[in-house]
Amino acid sequence: AQRVTQPEKLLSVFKGAPVELKCNYSYSGSPELFWYVQYSRQRLQLLLRHISRESIKGFTADLNKGETSFHLKKPFAQEEDSAMYYCALSGQGAQKLVFGQGTRLTINP
Amino acid sequence: DVKVTQSSRYLVKRTGEKVFLECVQDMDHENMFWYRQDPGLGLRLIYFSYDVKMKEKGDIPEGYSVSREKKERFSLILESASTNQTSMYLCASRGGQGFYEQYFGPGTRLTVT
Repeated sequence: AQRVTQPEKLLSVFKGAPVELKCNYSYSGSPELFWYVQYSRQRLQLLLRHISRESIKGFTADLNKGETSFHLKKPFAQEEDSAMYYCALSGQGAQKLVFGQGTRLTINP
Repeated sequence: DVKVTQSSRYLVKRTGEKVFLECVQDMDHENMFWYRQDPGLGLRLIYFSYDVKMKEKGDIPEGYSVSREKKERFSLILESASTNQTSMYLCASRGGQGFYEQYFGPGTRLTVT
């Protein structure tokens, strides 16, 4: 079975501090992992995908197959990073995504 | 730009009513999805469709049905609305094989009283 766990419902950090949003997954094959973000009053949108290995808006995420994790990191948080973040998994050849419970990130000034 | 639109932003219905939520995408995407978004539960897949007239159950299909008569339109139907179906409903679409990004609509907040 596929499962995604985001252990923190809420995360609050100060502007300029490092941010790490945790994501753990359960899947027996080779997964595709994603982070989606929803800013206030905006629709949910893709932030990044593990295969692309890009840094988007200063965020990076590394797939750690040994620890089955895909944590999202940013070295210096900005106020505009405040949003709801969802980790998601797609199995090999699967058409659908399995989402985690979400983490609401608040950046304090 | 991909555009996914949903027929209503807010909807209030009474228990037992039949409810239709409509979703339209303009990018000729094969795949369309309906999710519920609830605090603490994340997004849960209700149904998805990979082609016209084709559908598959997601994780929480009970109490819902769907219809996809045209490629661009995917409807979610609550046959007899209940208070536990009060939620935010999100529609998404995605291209075919080789495409990975899901594009989401703005959501419909449904309240069943």
